[in-house]
Amino acid sequence: DAKTTQPPSMDCAEGRAANLPCNHSTISGNEYVYWYRQIHSQGPQYIIHGLKNNETNEMASLIITEDRKSSTLILPHATLRDTAVYYCIVRVESDYKLSFGAGTTVTVRA
Amino acid sequence: GAGVSQTPSNKVTEKGKYVELRCDPISGHTALYWYRQSLGQGPEFLIYFQGTGAADDSGLPNDRFFAVRPEGSVSTLKIQRTERGDSAVYLCASSPGQGSYGYTFGSGTRLTVV
Repeated sequence: DAKTTQPPSMDCAEGRAANLPCNHSTISGNEYVYWYRQIHSQGPQYIIHGLKNNETNEMASLIITEDRKSSTLILPHATLRDTAVYYCIVRVESDYKLSFGAGTTVTVRA
Repeated sequence: GAGVSQTPSNKVTEKGKYVELRCDPISGHTALYWYRQSLGQGPEFLIYFQGTGAADDSGLPNDRFFAVRPEGSVSTLKIQRTERGDSAVYLCASSPGQGSYGYTFGSGTRLTVV
């Protein structure tokens, strides 16, 4: 019962912006879009989340379409350390479970 | 501590043996979670503790799996009569409260059953 769809993999050049898409066409009005990433041999790490408005923090920007059926995570200047699996998750803020799909494996190349 | 600590980082055990995996959450975090991650897949929820009690253990695959958190801090995931299919990375996470986005994961314990 996957709620999100992400491409399985993508490559990105070091120093360029990486744009990671996510489809969540069945998202409910009270569900947020969360992004996590998992670097090899580490646990998942929170990146950013949002409800309707675009969000930016020191790690990334999150662009959510007006109909909220899709979103894009933007890593503005990808570095080799950004190589990881990126997970897009939709959840109600009070949910205690995180439902991970397979994510997108992002490889940043020099 | 500064982060969620899991020990051991790696565990190899023989089929049929009993294993315990330990999780030290961030100090003061009342919520604690266990997930299991098989190769090439995303983590899957196993169990959620709020304080000392297991608020949701619906993700535990069968009765060979059990987890405790007796004093509301450290938690132990226990697996009896291990099977080769139990081989996976077991991840622990904690958060200040239920649903908080302060969810922080440990680096996991890689369990290999031979």
